[in-house]
Amino acid sequence: ETGVTQSPTHLIKTRGQQVTLRCSSQSGHNTVSWYQQALGQGPQFIFQYYREEENGRGNFPPRFSGLQFPNYSSELNVNALELDDSALYLCASSLLDRPSGNTIYFGEGSWLTVV
Amino acid sequence: KQEVTQIPAALSVPEGENLVLNCSFTDSAIYNLQWFRQDPGKGLTSLLLIQSSQREQTSGRLNASLDKSSGRSTLYIAASQPGDSATYLCAVRPYGGATNKLIFGTGTLLAVQP
Repeated sequence: ETGVTQSPTHLIKTRGQQVTLRCSSQSGHNTVSWYQQALGQGPQFIFQYYREEENGRGNFPPRFSGLQFPNYSSELNVNALELDDSALYLCASSLLDRPSGNTIYFGEGSWLTVV
Repeated sequence: KQEVTQIPAALSVPEGENLVLNCSFTDSAIYNLQWFRQDPGKGLTSLLLIQSSQREQTSGRLNASLDKSSGRSTLYIAASQPGDSATYLCAVRPYGGATNKLIFGTGTLLAVQP
């Protein structure tokens, strides 16, 4: 039990639609990040939020966007869905203050299928 | 550009065997290295974190080592059990940029046969 919860667990969307995925970070963690994991691959970093601002981004287009709220919950929004967006989306939280010693904790993920 | 490689991609062993999973990375400028376990269709469970200044960490039957200069880490699992069957992922946290950014390998799929 990591204390990081995500919703929904599974969803199916049609190409061109928009989707919002939600995450509740572990209590006390001030940083949340999102990852995309395609089948058979390792997770790929999408972006990170700290104090409600994006402060790091991976190689993902602007149609991937996010929000972090004052209670450290977070959303991942994906617009204009493409078939290749089908993946497991993982939320992770940690404390930003000590990057060398802080474990990053992941949620169970949200499975997105785009048809 | 940091790249993380895991060998082997898949491994099948009989119950009770000791085994070693390998992870290599190309850039030694890292804060730490973390090993994760992933069950099919599930999220990631953190197993061990080794800070860049450390050589190894142990938790129960698991022991992870880190040789930053050579860009290598190993995860040793003693007396394997069928419940250890899962995908094992290693990830490095590189210096600079987003401090929560992890770069993952593609994992080793482990099957422990009863």
